[in-house]
Amino acid sequence: EAEVAQSPRYKITEKSQAVAFWCDPISGHATLYWYRQILGQGPELLVQFQDESVVDDSQLPKDRFSAERLKGVDSTLKIQPAELGDSAMYLCASSDPLGLNTEAFFGQGTRLTVV
Amino acid sequence: GQNIDQPTEMTATEGAIVQINCTYQTSGFNGLFWYQQHAGEAPTFLSYNVLDGLEEKGRFSSFLSRSKGYSYLLLKELQMKDSASYLCAVHASGGSYIPTFGRGTSLIVHP
Repeated sequence: EAEVAQSPRYKITEKSQAVAFWCDPISGHATLYWYRQILGQGPELLVQFQDESVVDDSQLPKDRFSAERLKGVDSTLKIQPAELGDSAMYLCASSDPLGLNTEAFFGQGTRLTVV
Repeated sequence: GQNIDQPTEMTATEGAIVQINCTYQTSGFNGLFWYQQHAGEAPTFLSYNVLDGLEEKGRFSSFLSRSKGYSYLLLKELQMKDSASYLCAVHASGGSYIPTFGRGTSLIVHP
């Protein structure tokens, strides 16, 4: 069964360091999302791509976060410099905008701990 | 903006029925998702309601009332493995169709 791949699963980094997460969506899914989920809360959208273009990054803290999807397939989310408050689960999801339900399929996430 | 409200936590007994409510306020409403998320895992899709009414899928059913901005997820014949967080997500337009999630309801099923 096709799935969204994310790496790494876990990341521990010191504050002020740079960190990067990678996501490979389900093949053929044009839409890719990065969400951040703090423990006990729902996922919060950071950025949405349609192919290689950013559709919405209004909630992305652009002073330290960046995201790219250069070839419209896999994507990278970067944080530089990391802060203690960035500790969270970072979830990547993809969807087929032409699909029946357009539901988002999630990867296993990257659990980031900033110390 | 969007406002999505669901209870923080619910408890129920194995074999029972539980209803998890979700209310929302949004513009450009397109549909409503329910996702299940076990601790430390990714959310998994349960249902998507676009039209008013009840949709049944095995032990899980989802209901939507667009005029009232209200949905519920009904879980029947509860099993221990149903202990999880249940996320309500609104699918709304506004330039892009982005699922916006509520805080989630943590369901604890007791034997």
